Amino acid sequence: SYVLTQPPSVSVAPGQTARITCGGNNIGSKSVHWYQQKPGQAPVLVVYDDSDRPSGIPERFSGSNSGNTATLTISRVEAGDEADYYCQVWDSSSDHDVVFGGGTKLTVL
Amino acid sequence: QVQLVQSGAEVKKPGASVKVSCKASGYTFTGYYMHWVRQAPGQGLEWMGRINPNSGGTNYAQKFQGRVTMTRDTSISTAYMELSRLRSDDTAVYYCAIQQWLVNWFDPWGQGTLVTVSS
Repeated sequence: SYVLTQPPSVSVAPGQTARITCGGNNIGSKSVHWYQQKPGQAPVLVVYDDSDRPSGIPERFSGSNSGNTATLTISRVEAGDEADYYCQVWDSSSDHDVVFGGGTKLTVL
Repeated sequence: QVQLVQSGAEVKKPGASVKVSCKASGYTFTGYYMHWVRQAPGQGLEWMGRINPNSGGTNYAQKFQGRVTMTRDTSISTAYMELSRLRSDDTAVYYCAIQQWLVNWFDPWGQGTLVTVSS
């Protein structure tokens, strides 16, 4: 089955840029979506189709995808961005259509 | 606006079944797929399957085949996920989430339902 690999944690100071990676075999050929999940809350879509933002999501959130790595970039990080972030792809060739990465805990120092 | 409201927390004994509901509002219920995703305590997201509310057709993750049943009642815009033969490692928060046609992401999600399996 298709596997998505994320670093367990990323730390960044307020105002700096956070980059969260999502690795997968030839992930650049797939559409990658990113969710933010704060403690005790449901996930919220922050980037879809590699780099598009839903309405209401700040422009500070952006994404890219190429080769074997997709990246969620959060510019000018704020304390309120502290959360778990998950990448997701659709992979009909596996035994389950939807695959999530293991999640990355973003800590704002 | 589009909203999904799930049923309340459940406590079940091993071997029992649980049925979680997800009531949709703010859109045409039969217009979008409904997915179920679970999250064990301190763990990541795990996809369980989806239902086409229009046809009732389902796709389940292989891991849950034979134990999960997804249904819907279009008259009350509600989807259901029933998991049988519960084990302690089924303790998790269960989420429903919408997938619109021709896209493959989920937005929005329900608030989640905690299912605790304990003897």
